[in-house]
Amino acid sequence: GIQVEQSPPDLILQEGANSTLRCNFSDSVNNLQWFHQNPWGQLINLFYIPSGTKQNGRLSATTVATERYSLLYISSSQTTDSGVYFCAVEDTGTASKLTFGTGTRLQVTL
Amino acid sequence: DAEITQSPRHKITETGRQVTLACHQTWNHNNMFWYRQDLGHGLRLIHYSYGVQDTNKGEVSDGYSVSRSNTEDLPLTLESAASSQTSVYFCASQDTRGEKLFFGSGTQLSVL
Repeated sequence: GIQVEQSPPDLILQEGANSTLRCNFSDSVNNLQWFHQNPWGQLINLFYIPSGTKQNGRLSATTVATERYSLLYISSSQTTDSGVYFCAVEDTGTASKLTFGTGTRLQVTL
Repeated sequence: DAEITQSPRHKITETGRQVTLACHQTWNHNNMFWYRQDLGHGLRLIHYSYGVQDTNKGEVSDGYSVSRSNTEDLPLTLESAASSQTSVYFCASQDTRGEKLFFGSGTQLSVL
């Protein structure tokens, strides 16, 4: 099956700093999504982004499908951004089934 | 507002017992999924359904079953609970276009 690798595995930032999280995948994809799991365990969908660039407030994401990677940018980080960020992909042979990466754990400190 | 609800939030059971975790969504989504989350393994797909009477096995389906008798509900049953099934279980739903996936709040299951 498709492999999904996220980097870095862990990241510590001071409040106000910017960061870039990366997701590499091993095959062509129909669907790519980014999720944030907050410290209470809730999984929030951030972006549906199989290609191109999207922005939502301080967060933006870019997927370059031809080169098999996606980036999640967090600008002016806040303590509420802490948690784990997951990338999930659906390869072209598995309709609607997402495979998740192991995540990037982000801690934002004051 | 549409939502996806899981119950119970926490469950402790004994080895060998049958356990059913409930998932109810009001998005009117056709696609529904069950994942389990374990340290070191991320989220892994257990079972999924594309509509009423449709169920499919995922990556880690052994010891689990689901049924889909209506659009709103996809209960997950552990036929004979094992300690290896101690985990956090997440239900999710997605519309037929296969775009955004929405998760419930999760069920923490402990099998003793």
